[in-house]
Amino acid sequence: GAGVSQSPSNKVTEKGKDVELRCDPISGHTALYWYRQSLGQGLEFLIYFQGNSAPDKSGLPSDRFSAERTGGSVSTLTIQRTQQEDSAVYLCASRPALSGNTIYFGEGSWLTVV
Amino acid sequence: ILNVEQSPQSLHVQEGDSTNFTCSFPSSNFYALHWYRWETAKSPEALFVMTLNGDEKKKGRISATLNTKEGYSYLYIKGSQPEDSATYLCAFGNSGNTPLVFGKGTRLSVIA
Repeated sequence: GAGVSQSPSNKVTEKGKDVELRCDPISGHTALYWYRQSLGQGLEFLIYFQGNSAPDKSGLPSDRFSAERTGGSVSTLTIQRTQQEDSAVYLCASRPALSGNTIYFGEGSWLTVV
Repeated sequence: ILNVEQSPQSLHVQEGDSTNFTCSFPSSNFYALHWYRWETAKSPEALFVMTLNGDEKKKGRISATLNTKEGYSYLYIKGSQPEDSATYLCAFGNSGNTPLVFGKGTRLSVIA
């Protein structure tokens, strides 16, 4: 597709369940980012991929969060044993080159943990 | 820890009013300042990427200025329209390959 694609767009899950969020970046974009925004908060950086490697995982809030990227393209963000504080919109973005370019966001995956 | 502050947090204006809001960021190790517009249920949309001190950019009724020495950027909207209602985010980059640090945004509501 032309833009960054994320799925699911909405997910309601029970506390303690695992969830997997998917991001399909713009074709040819080498850098991929995951951010999230909780209610009343700003956009919080989670993890960054350059190709398949993740040089910066500093934003992952706990070891329940993990992410991978395969083939330099699709990325999945996995949250294990979800908690209510994980409820947020999870945004994926991609960027074509390292320096100075705009990052392009998907529409987000809205996660609600009940 | 890099800190990006935006003010005001929210703003209500009448249709036709002009408005502006502020983004403050670290004045050292500046690389780029980005502005995004985020409408509900849509993806954040890039408005401007600014890299040079004194830069001014314009897109239709929206414009932005940049002062890297004092660490601030202003976003201006002239003659606000209801379709301008959105959250406006600024983001600071201190290099070409580190993730952008976002402010919490300014939520603008334009009342017809």
